[in-house]
Amino acid sequence: DQQVKQNSPSLSVQEGRISILNCDYTNSMFDYFLWYKKYPAEGPTFLISISSIKDKNEDGRFTVFLNKSAKHLSLHIVPSQPGDSAVYFCAASDDEKLTFGTGTRLTIIP
Amino acid sequence: NAGVTQTPKFQVLKTGQSMTLQCAQDMNHNSMYWYRQDPGMGLRLIYYSASEGTTDKGEVPNGYNVSRLNKREFSLRLESAAPSQTSVYFCASSEAGFLIYGYTFGSGTRLTVV
Repeated sequence: DQQVKQNSPSLSVQEGRISILNCDYTNSMFDYFLWYKKYPAEGPTFLISISSIKDKNEDGRFTVFLNKSAKHLSLHIVPSQPGDSAVYFCAASDDEKLTFGTGTRLTIIP
Repeated sequence: NAGVTQTPKFQVLKTGQSMTLQCAQDMNHNSMYWYRQDPGMGLRLIYYSASEGTTDKGEVPNGYNVSRLNKREFSLRLESAAPSQTSVYFCASSEAGFLIYGYTFGSGTRLTVV
């Protein structure tokens, strides 16, 4: 029973364009959502988070949007750069533990 | 600034062998976690420790044991390895307010059980 789902295993985007990564969840008790980025042979690194009381959080080129009624969040990267090529995981929490999605591999095409 | 250090980085075990994965953090974090990453499955929580002296099961604890040796160290033990435990294992730590700052992960241990 996957409580956090990333339905797109992969995504390719032209350099300079917008990358949009999507995530859906089923547990309405989740109250905080995070995005992580992972390069090969490295651990995941924290990117950006959003509380369930907000619908948008922005940090530089990265913006996370939360639609609670649809139980959906998305990560926008603008403009996309070659260094953004990585696997992106969304994660959700209803207590001190995080539940992760399956990941989306983002490839930025030069 | 080491952060979270995992050893070993790679390991090959035969079915039935035992081993301990080591994890240490130098950020004075209270909470520590063990996850495994498998293709198509994302990161799944094995065990966690909210503070020194406490441990709790996560989503996939069967076949594993853990020890929170002190505030810095959190080890994961496989008593009798099985091919289904072939995976990449990540240790992580966090402090109060982690929901804002996220977990800090180690670089992982790639384990193959043959």
